[in-house]
Formats: sequence, structure tokens, C-alpha cells
Amino acid sequence: GIQVEQSPPDLILQEGANSTLRCNFSDSVNNLQWFHQNPWGQLINLFYIPSGTKQNGRLSATTVATERYSLLYISSSQTTDSGVYFCAVENRDDKIIFGKGTRLHILP
Amino acid sequence: ETGVTQSPTHLIKTRGQQVTLRCSSQSGHNTVSWYQQALGQGPQFIFQYYREEENGRGNFPPRFSGLQFPNYSSELNVNALELDDSALYLCASSQDSRRGYTFGSGTRLTVV
Repeated sequence: GIQVEQSPPDLILQEGANSTLRCNFSDSVNNLQWFHQNPWGQLINLFYIPSGTKQNGRLSATTVATERYSLLYISSSQTTDSGVYFCAVENRDDKIIFGKGTRLHILP
Repeated sequence: ETGVTQSPTHLIKTRGQQVTLRCSSQSGHNTVSWYQQALGQGPQFIFQYYREEENGRGNFPPRFSGLQFPNYSSELNVNALELDDSALYLCASSQDSRRGYTFGSGTRLTVV
């Protein structure tokens, strides 16, 4: 089946820094979502981005479907950005496959 | 506002027991999926229902079963609970997969 790899697995940054999270996938996908999981387990949808670039405040994402990767950019990090970021792709059978996540810790 | 509600939020069961987890989706969301997330891992796909029919299943044994109802609610049933079934169980629904999925807050199941 399709493989989803996220990097880095862990990231520690000072408040105010910028970061780039990467998601590679091994096969064509129908769509791709980025999620932020808060400490209570809630998966918050950040972007639905099968291709192209989207921006929402300090966050933006780019997916290059032909090269099978997506990037999530976080600018001017805040402590509330801490948590685990997941990339999830929908394969041709309409099933969602998650990566293992990037655990981000923003220091005050 | 998630639009997807799961109950209960926490649950403790004994090995060998059976459990039913519930999910209430947004009106019009014909597709519902269930996921198991072990501690420190990404969510793993259990199965998916579309208009009350199962239309996909992950690598989970038959003791994991589900139902979807006409009122956009669904259930995940697990029989003969094992210690390794302890996890966060997430429900997600979608009106149209091209619009993405919305997740509930999950049910944290502990098997002792």
C-alpha cells in the first residue's frame, strides 16, 4: 500500500522561529490533508491541499502532486503551535493513510 | 466547531469484555471512517462506511465491527478486548471526500 513519510519526526524551536514540515508519499493520491493534533487528541484540519499552495495566517502549505510531496510552513511560531502535525493522504480506494507525524515543541 | 461528536470521551474496560463506541456526524455526511491511534503513533485506518455499507477495511481482525445508521450516526464495536486495544479511537466523516474529512475528539479506551 501507499507509504506516507513525515520529517522531521521531532522539532524543537524557539518562539518566533519559522519551520518547514515535509510529507512524502509513495503513490498518486486523490487528496491530502494536514492536521494539528492538540494535547487532548483533537485532530484539527489545517489544510485540504491535493495540489497547489494555500495560506491561512501564519500557516501555509504546498503540495507538488507530480513529485509526491507536501510541505507545511509555520512562520513566527507561538507556543500554542506545539503539538503533533500529521499529513494524511487519500489513496485511490478512498482510504485515508496517515504519516507518523512531526512532534513540534515551541519553547517560550 | 467540529460537527463530529464521539461518546464516551473516556472508557475503562476489562480484558475479554466488549465495547461500543459511538459517533454522530454532521447532517449530509454519508461517509464515516474509524481509526485507532496508539500512544505516540499516527491514526490507523480500521474501516469505512458509505451509506450504511462497509466499503473498505484496514488490517484489523473481525472482532472489530461497525454500523452506520440513516441518521448519520455510527458505532464501532470491539469484542473480546485485548490489552493492545488500549488506544484513542477516532471517527471522521465527510460529505464529499474531495472536501476532506472532519474528525471527532475521540474516545480514549483503556483495557486492563
